[in-house]
Amino acid sequence: EAGVAQSPRYKIIEKRQSVAFWCNPISGHATLYWYQQILGQGPKLLIQFQNNGVVDDSQLPKDRFSAERLKGVDSTLKIQPAKLEDSAVYLCASSFEGRKDTQYFGPGTRLTVL
Amino acid sequence: QKEVEQDPGPLSVPEGAIVSLNCTYSNSAFQYFMWYRQYSRKGPELLMYTYSSGNKEDGRFTAQVDKSSKYISLFIRDSQPSDSATYLCAMSAANAGKSTFGDGTTLTVKP
Repeated sequence: EAGVAQSPRYKIIEKRQSVAFWCNPISGHATLYWYQQILGQGPKLLIQFQNNGVVDDSQLPKDRFSAERLKGVDSTLKIQPAKLEDSAVYLCASSFEGRKDTQYFGPGTRLTVL
Repeated sequence: QKEVEQDPGPLSVPEGAIVSLNCTYSNSAFQYFMWYRQYSRKGPELLMYTYSSGNKEDGRFTAQVDKSSKYISLFIRDSQPSDSATYLCAMSAANAGKSTFGDGTTLTVKP
């Protein structure tokens, strides 16, 4: 079974620039999550999709972050404009109908904002 | 104060030792408790998943939940160098609900 795919794996940008991350979940997983993991901390949920609808985006900084999941499969997370404090690993995960016991994470995208 | 507090470590043990990793929490609504292992530059991998109080064993790993004390533990028996990683605890009030993670404990098992 193929895992959760993410790209790019690494990205370096200047502050105020824009950046986008892509995620392809495990086939058949209706729930998709985006997490932000700052160095030395645990992952923090940014947004959770069920199919192509948003379940929870309470911790998404909506003035600069946006996410979409068209057709209920792939998803993109965008930051515009980026700030220094956005430097982190952005993890995508998917699960079967939101069940934590079926949640799998991708390898993450490491973002550095200079 | 954070909802989930995890012993920060780092922890260094010799091969074969028994390892104890611990988290405390403040939200009494948490019912689902998870432990993840995260190798360097990789995403977290689910190790153990338990519901409510009690023990669960899987090979060399045992997860314990004490809801009365709001305390969970992960024990690793006969630790191996391949167990060297960061261990994250996570909790949620519902199986499909948002998980709250601890900040992780980094474990090194020396040969």
